[in-house]
Amino acid sequence: IVMTQSPATLSVSPGERVTLSCRASQSVSRSLAWYQQRPGQAPRLLIYTASTRATGVPVRFSGSGSGTEFTLTISSLQSEDFAVYYCLQYNTWPLMCSFGQGTKLEI
Amino acid sequence: DVQLLASGGGLVQPGGSLRLSCAASGFTFSNFAMAWVRQAQGGGLEWVSAIDGRGVRTYYADSAKGRFTISRDNSQNTLYLQIDGLRAEDTAIYYCAKDVPAFEFWGQGTLVTVST
Repeated sequence: IVMTQSPATLSVSPGERVTLSCRASQSVSRSLAWYQQRPGQAPRLLIYTASTRATGVPVRFSGSGSGTEFTLTISSLQSEDFAVYYCLQYNTWPLMCSFGQGTKLEI
Repeated sequence: DVQLLASGGGLVQPGGSLRLSCAASGFTFSNFAMAWVRQAQGGGLEWVSAIDGRGVRTYYADSAKGRFTISRDNSQNTLYLQIDGLRAEDTAIYYCAKDVPAFEFWGQGTLVTVST
């Protein structure tokens, strides 16, 4: 299953609302997670099962979608949100799972 | 607090071997499946391997079958990844991650560089 994220890079300003897209080449039901990776850091789980926020994740992060189309929305960008965001499908776990190529949020 | 401290990376020649370790703390290690995920320099993420909490069931990405071996020592709260026959394309940061399949928490990673 190929995961395609768009756009590759998004230039935004603090305080803006932003929506990131992740598309699967075939249905993954709701077996989708989102990760944030800041420069020089390990990825951090934000969302799993398409819309459930992980522990400690601010409420400004929300996920939606099912099947092949998914979105991650950040309601009001904070300075610490400028990072790369990856989606992951795990519908075929444990045979395989696959990440998207990432969307970079830049100022 | 959950901590995952990966180690064992380094510079190795093509065809060589490495054993990566991941020391876990802050949770009951044996209750959780664990995984390795790698990231090429400036590149995307790729799941490599996973193992169940008891160390009985192991899983590998197609790219890891045959050369990678995942294991764990629950008495030492440590996860391992043995990599044999290293290739240039194995050059990456290797992260250990807690819980599958949504990789709930990631360690800081250890860099493996395969080069002459």
